[in-house]
Amino acid sequence: DTEVTQTPKHLVMGMTNKKSLKCEQHMGHRAMYWYKQKAKKPPELMFVYSYEKLSINESVPSRFSPECPNSSLLNLHLHALQPEDSALYLCASSLEGGSYTEAFFGQGTRLTVV
Amino acid sequence: GENVEQHPSTLSVQEGDSAVIKCTYSDSASNYFPWYKQELGKRPQLIIDIRSNVGEKKDQRIAVTLNKTAKHFSLHITETQPEDSAVYFCAATTGNQFYFGTGTSLTVIP
Repeated sequence: DTEVTQTPKHLVMGMTNKKSLKCEQHMGHRAMYWYKQKAKKPPELMFVYSYEKLSINESVPSRFSPECPNSSLLNLHLHALQPEDSALYLCASSLEGGSYTEAFFGQGTRLTVV
Repeated sequence: GENVEQHPSTLSVQEGDSAVIKCTYSDSASNYFPWYKQELGKRPQLIIDIRSNVGEKKDQRIAVTLNKTAKHFSLHITETQPEDSAVYFCAATTGNQFYFGTGTSLTVIP
């Protein structure tokens, strides 16, 4: 199984809503990532979890809250988002960090904030 | 942190011609350089990668070269086909995160 599965595929939420994005992999990868991607732009790193511990937070606003319940799951909790947060949110995983190891991406969640 | 630059931003080639995309990086500690292809509305997918202890790698019509001294690496696609049309991202890693280039939108004209 070389899949990273993200749910939901599409999400529309109001600025006062609370929602969560979910990501799952069963490849035994110990590093998991959240990226944000705007149209025609490269993926922009948000968070990195390594061995279920948050290792990198790229100065992301607190309205985005990551969680890693176990080695296979990664969540991104959303609260009080702004319209400019509308983007494709990609989850990725790699065997162990970035050195010499491919990052596998999920299909992404297309988020629209209204 | 690492800074990855990618050129050109757009590239159009005739079917059957070759396409070359170039990237430079700033951190000499970067040791792994993957290339991702992203079709419209889809996830980035790895097409080829190269490690810092290798100068060149080839996989059928796709090749990547790395010049560690000059800190640049390139993607070469030969005999291009319409299905090669997509956005291509280079990346560099120093450890626990991937730094992406700005992307190249490749169009192969039948």
